[in-house]
Amino acid sequence: DTAVSQTPKYLVTQMGNDKSIKCEQNLGHDTMYWYKQDSKKFLKIMFSYNNKELIINETVPNRFSPKSPDKAHLNLHINSLELGDSAVYFCASSPGALGNSPLHFGNGTRLTVT
Amino acid sequence: DQQVKQNSPSLSVQEGRISILNCDYTNSMFDYFLWYKKYPAEGPTFLISISSIKDKNEDGRFTVFLNKSAKHLSLHIVPSQPGDSAVYFCAASVTGTASKLTFGTGTRLQVTL
Repeated sequence: DTAVSQTPKYLVTQMGNDKSIKCEQNLGHDTMYWYKQDSKKFLKIMFSYNNKELIINETVPNRFSPKSPDKAHLNLHINSLELGDSAVYFCASSPGALGNSPLHFGNGTRLTVT
Repeated sequence: DQQVKQNSPSLSVQEGRISILNCDYTNSMFDYFLWYKKYPAEGPTFLISISSIKDKNEDGRFTVFLNKSAKHLSLHIVPSQPGDSAVYFCAASVTGTASKLTFGTGTRLQVTL
């Protein structure tokens, strides 16, 4: 039973389109995250939600909008896709927003913008 | 500014030998460090962590060493097994703030027969 699951696994789309990536965790964690791994393999945080409340919002274009309908779900909507948005997007969760606890990652969504 | 660095992009080790993966950091506020393992087409999987109050943490074949004065940590895997072949990411965070891991760029470990 997958702990952190994201859909779709692959997403190929054209520039200018709008797309969404969904994430669900069944670990009972309070905090969820979106990370982006770019072509240079850097894993960088984009957003974090704790109990549906946004707590981390890194310098990300406002074309990216996260939404957390409940603490088990965190979706990422991207408007007006650009070539530079091509990357692997990872969802993650942790028991809480503070303290020493590792993140549990999903298997990623590879987004390719053509 | 890359605050967590893994200067070796790849490492090849024979099965049964010790694998040593290194990581350096620049932010002296970091006080919690983790290693993640990643297979292709999968997400990173937590391996082992260490708090800055310790200098060593061991879990089976995996040991992490922390040298705070040098701002350096290392992961030792002994004995190395073919299934250990993966990309290993070092990560760091500052506790007491909103949990945000800063990752290194990874080291690809290949364990050969």
